[in-house]
Amino acid sequence: QSALTQPASVSGSPGQSITISCSGSNSDVGGFNYVSWYQQHPGKAPKLLISTVSNRPSGVPNRFSGSKSGNTASLTISGLQADDEGTYYCISYTSSNTLEVVFGGGTKLTVL
Amino acid sequence: QLQLQESGPGLVKPSETLSLTCAVSGGSISSRTYYWAWIRQPPGKGLEWLGSIYHSGSTYYNPSVKSRVTMSVDTSNNHFSLNLSSVTAADTAVYFCARRGPNWDFQFWGQGALVTVAS
Repeated sequence: QSALTQPASVSGSPGQSITISCSGSNSDVGGFNYVSWYQQHPGKAPKLLISTVSNRPSGVPNRFSGSKSGNTASLTISGLQADDEGTYYCISYTSSNTLEVVFGGGTKLTVL
Repeated sequence: QLQLQESGPGLVKPSETLSLTCAVSGGSISSRTYYWAWIRQPPGKGLEWLGSIYHSGSTYYNPSVKSRVTMSVDTSNNHFSLNLSSVTAADTAVYFCARRGPNWDFQFWGQGALVTVAS
């Protein structure tokens, strides 16, 4: 069972917008602005999309955006494209004295 | 551009030790800004952080594997390593190495190495 809770799946049609949530606690998502989001295609390594809640690394399209409210972070993808299909993970720093980071279980995005 | 590449046996027998190395190119493993991490993904499942190591050798391990894991760093050859002892079928996974940034994100990843535990 993952420390951060994500929906197992979401879907949307090309051109639409979708949002993926990532729920944690005051010890991780809610307590720090160190939430990052990743896209993973089958057989590939995860790719960093969003860092520190809402910052996009160079080269990531502005269709991808991140936000946070309380203990829940969110990733929004606007103007869905076929290539956006894949699995999305959130990761957060944690103040746990036994772990550095905690992961979400992943959300499978299907582009209809 | 920083690149990471995992290498090691793809098949390990139960109860033996899994050993992987991650070669870093395009940047120095001795950078004071970054930690170096191992993350694994069992087939069809999510990601699990195994641990991180600094160039000085200081380490942080996931409690789920802490009793079995050892990470080391070789600054001369710009690589770091993972040893996981007493493996079982549950350790079958794709093992990724990655660079952990100061904002607790993982911007650079290796392509992943599938390790199967079977006799």
